[in-house]
Amino acid sequence: EIVMTQSPATLSVSPGERATLSCRASQSVSNNLAWYQQKPGQAPRLLIYGASTRATGIPARFSGGGSGTEFTLTISSLQSEDFTFYYCQQYTDWPLTFGGGTNVEIK
Amino acid sequence: EVQLLESGGGLVPPGGSLRLSCAASGFTFSSYAMSWVRQAPGKGLEWVSAIRGSNSNTFYADSVKGRFTISRDNSKNTLYLQMNSLRAEDTAVYYCAKLSWSFGGWVDSWGQGTLVTVSS
Repeated sequence: EIVMTQSPATLSVSPGERATLSCRASQSVSNNLAWYQQKPGQAPRLLIYGASTRATGIPARFSGGGSGTEFTLTISSLQSEDFTFYYCQQYTDWPLTFGGGTNVEIK
Repeated sequence: EVQLLESGGGLVPPGGSLRLSCAASGFTFSSYAMSWVRQAPGKGLEWVSAIRGSNSNTFYADSVKGRFTISRDNSKNTLYLQMNSLRAEDTAVYYCAKLSWSFGGWVDSWGQGTLVTVSS
């Protein structure tokens, strides 16, 4: 099983600042990496797939990077609606696996 | 527009069974792999199971293997999850999820979830 590790667990950032979230895979997943945003009480929403391709309707302030085992999600200028939970997920092999999540909170 | 509507959740005692359903619309159901993802209260996302669209191959997380069975009825555009020998740790919101390809991929659409509570 490919283990996905996200860091930090909690990231405190001021509105308007940049946030960088990390996701590490226990073995190479090539670019088969997705990012999701989840607000409390809601289903997750796809942000990024293929490590760096934004999903339909996702604002340009969200960007993904990396390949192999190291990945990042960057939010260039945090808006109020961006303070919530983020998960990475690999889909290169079964079982599909998610990272433990990062909570982006207001500093 | 893709729509996924789960049903069948509820309260069940330990050792009991439950069958979840997911009615899909807005896409060619038989052409895509489908999955179940769960989230225990206050916890992160956990992938549970998937079934391919092309040949109905199935995949399971170790935590549910041998107890849960995923299936699909392409004539009814419906995905199922039969859950047997339920445990307290199976308590979670269960999301129906559409994968991006017929053989797997990322989750490009999510249902709103159905809550399963395993308790006496």
